[in-house]
Amino acid sequence: KAGVTQTPRYLIKTRGQQVTLSCSPISGHRSVSWYQQTPGQGLQFLFEYFSETQRNKGNFPGRFSGRQFSNSRSEMNVSTLELGDSALYLCASSFGELAFFGQGTRLTVV
Amino acid sequence: GQQVMQIPQYQHVQEGEDFTTYCNSSTTLSNIQWYKQRPGGHPVFLIQLVKSGEVKKQKRLTFQFGEAKKNSSLHITATQTTDVGTYFCAGRGNAGNMLTFGGGTRLMVKP
Repeated sequence: KAGVTQTPRYLIKTRGQQVTLSCSPISGHRSVSWYQQTPGQGLQFLFEYFSETQRNKGNFPGRFSGRQFSNSRSEMNVSTLELGDSALYLCASSFGELAFFGQGTRLTVV
Repeated sequence: GQQVMQIPQYQHVQEGEDFTTYCNSSTTLSNIQWYKQRPGGHPVFLIQLVKSGEVKKQKRLTFQFGEAKKNSSLHITATQTTDVGTYFCAGRGNAGNMLTFGGGTRLMVKP
């Protein structure tokens, strides 16, 4: 089975721009979660989608949004980028309790 | 909300020494999971513990889940340079709750 695929792997954006990240889960997995990882804050939960519905949401501002499509692929969007949004964004797909992570998208905001 | 704390944040050991990381949750967990992230990589699932007091072993790694299902530990015997990375615990309260990660323990092994 192919693993979790995240695109793009690397991204450089300017403050004020918006960005969309994509995640294709493992085939058959219906749950997709997004995390932000920074050196000082560890893995911070953004949101979780299951069958196109947002099931859980972390404590991030409304600039962070996401969605899931009928084929379980998910996207997250960050609008009005700030320097502090620079991070590794990880997507994890789940079937049951276990999470399988993609390689992440490293976003740099300049 | 649910909080998961992990200590220590960093650990330097000499190759061959043992290593332990501890994980504590503010609430009772339905299960606890452990992940390893190599430098430059992504978290990779290691193991899940479900039962109170459960102990599982994977070669030199020993995982324990506390009796109250609020704490857990990972012990590595005789560390090797291949053990380098950050070890995360992650817990879920009730079914459907989000998976909350500890801050991780970064292990560095001197050859």
